[in-house]
Amino acid sequence: DIVVTQSPDSLAVSLGERATINCKSSQSVLYSSNNKNLLAWYQQKPGQPPKLLIYWASTRESGVPDRFSGSGSGTDFTLTISSLQAEDVALYYCQQYYSTPLTFGGGTKVEIK
Amino acid sequence: EVQLVESGGGLVQPGGSLRLSCVASGFTLSDHFMDWVRQAPGKGLEWVGRSRHKASGYITEFAASVKGRFTISRDESNNSLDLQMDSLKTEDTAVYYCGRAAFLHGLDVWGQGTTVTVS
Repeated sequence: DIVVTQSPDSLAVSLGERATINCKSSQSVLYSSNNKNLLAWYQQKPGQPPKLLIYWASTRESGVPDRFSGSGSGTDFTLTISSLQAEDVALYYCQQYYSTPLTFGGGTKVEIK
Repeated sequence: EVQLVESGGGLVQPGGSLRLSCVASGFTLSDHFMDWVRQAPGKGLEWVGRSRHKASGYITEFAASVKGRFTISRDESNNSLDLQMDSLKTEDTAVYYCGRAAFLHGLDVWGQGTTVTVS
């Protein structure tokens, strides 16, 4: 199974400042057929289901604000919120979908400082 | 509007069974891989299982923690997906979500979830 590790567990950032979340997979999730990393990022607010933000490690889902960006390749990935807004307070999860069992990181709680 | 709606959650005793349903609207379920994901109270997300699309013969796969106890079936006429859960354990207590696994895209559509309590 691919183990996905996220860090930090939580972070507090001032409004308008940058938030960075890291995600590491225990093996490469680079899909050779399309040269894409099969890694996604999700946002979950209290009482709501997760919402897909980023797929292929760096492609924003339709409708996702451009302050959210993903980067990385192979086993190391990053989600960046360039200018934190109040509505971005949430839990964030990375997930590999390269192989089953699909596995999620433990989550990062983003709060306002 | 593309939507998933789960139902069937509730309170069940250990060793009991429960059947969850996920009804799709706005798209044809049989064209897509579909996943079940759960979230125990105050915990993170855990993948439960998958039903591949019709073209793949609706092959199913499960997490080790539920393999042999859970099954997934589809009803094309109702555009729905069921999760049959048997021999339930207290550790199966969670909110259960169904999600559409867009091809090489992640889970792009999620239901609101249904709560299962085993106690």
